[in-house]
Amino acid sequence: QKEVEQNSGPLSVPEGAIASLNCTYSDRGSQSFFWYRQYSGKSPELIMFIYSNGDKEDGRFTAQLNKASQYVSLLIRDSQPSDSATYLCAVNRPNTGNQFYFGTGTSLTVIP
Amino acid sequence: KAGVTQTPRYLIKTRGQQVTLSCSPISGHRSVSWYQQTPGQGLQFLFEYFSETQRNKGNFPGRFSGRQFSNSRSEMNVSTLELGDSALYLCASSKSSAAQETQYFGPGTRLLVL
Repeated sequence: QKEVEQNSGPLSVPEGAIASLNCTYSDRGSQSFFWYRQYSGKSPELIMFIYSNGDKEDGRFTAQLNKASQYVSLLIRDSQPSDSATYLCAVNRPNTGNQFYFGTGTSLTVIP
Repeated sequence: KAGVTQTPRYLIKTRGQQVTLSCSPISGHRSVSWYQQTPGQGLQFLFEYFSETQRNKGNFPGRFSGRQFSNSRSEMNVSTLELGDSALYLCASSKSSAAQETQYFGPGTRLLVL
C-alpha cells in the first residue's frame, strides 16, 4: 500500500464548475497535509496546507481533512482554464521530520 | 524575497559520469530537502539537510549523496550515473526541519543520462 494515493485522472470539468480532488493516506498518525499545483514542465507550487479536521478555505480553494477516514480533498470553485494542471497531495508522516510523502498527482483539465 | 534557486537548470550526462546539482534556499530558510521526480514514480524524497547535518534520508542507493554549507546552500551529487537517474531533481526549502513546516520548491534541474 502506498503512503499517499490519488486518482491519476485525468479529471475534466467545464469552466465555472467545481473540481474535486481526493487523496488518501496510510499512516493514521500523519498530521500535516499539503496541496501543490504543478504545471507541465514546472515545479510544484504550494496551494494550501491543512492540519486540523474540517474545512479550510482560501479564495476559490477549500481543503477538507478527515483524519478518521484518512482522506484529504481539495475543492476548486469556479474552475478556470488556468487551473488546468497536476495537483499533488503531500503528507508529512510522524517521526519523519520534514519528509513529505507525495501522491502521484491528479491531472485536471478545465474546459472553456 | 527571492525564491529557491537551482543550478544548472538542464544537464546532459552519459552513463558512468557523476553530476553535482546546487540549491540555494529562500533567505532565512535553514532546511533543504531534495526530491527526484519521474513520470513513473512521481516525487520521491532523497534527503533533507538542516544546519549542515543530514536529518533524514530516503530509500535511494549510496550513489546519491548531498551536503549543506554554513550559508544553508546545498549540493547533491550522483556518482556513476545510470539511465534510470534521468529525472527532474527538485530541491525545497523550509524555515526549519520541524514537522508541519511548509516546503517551497525551486525550479528544478532536469537531468538526462544517455
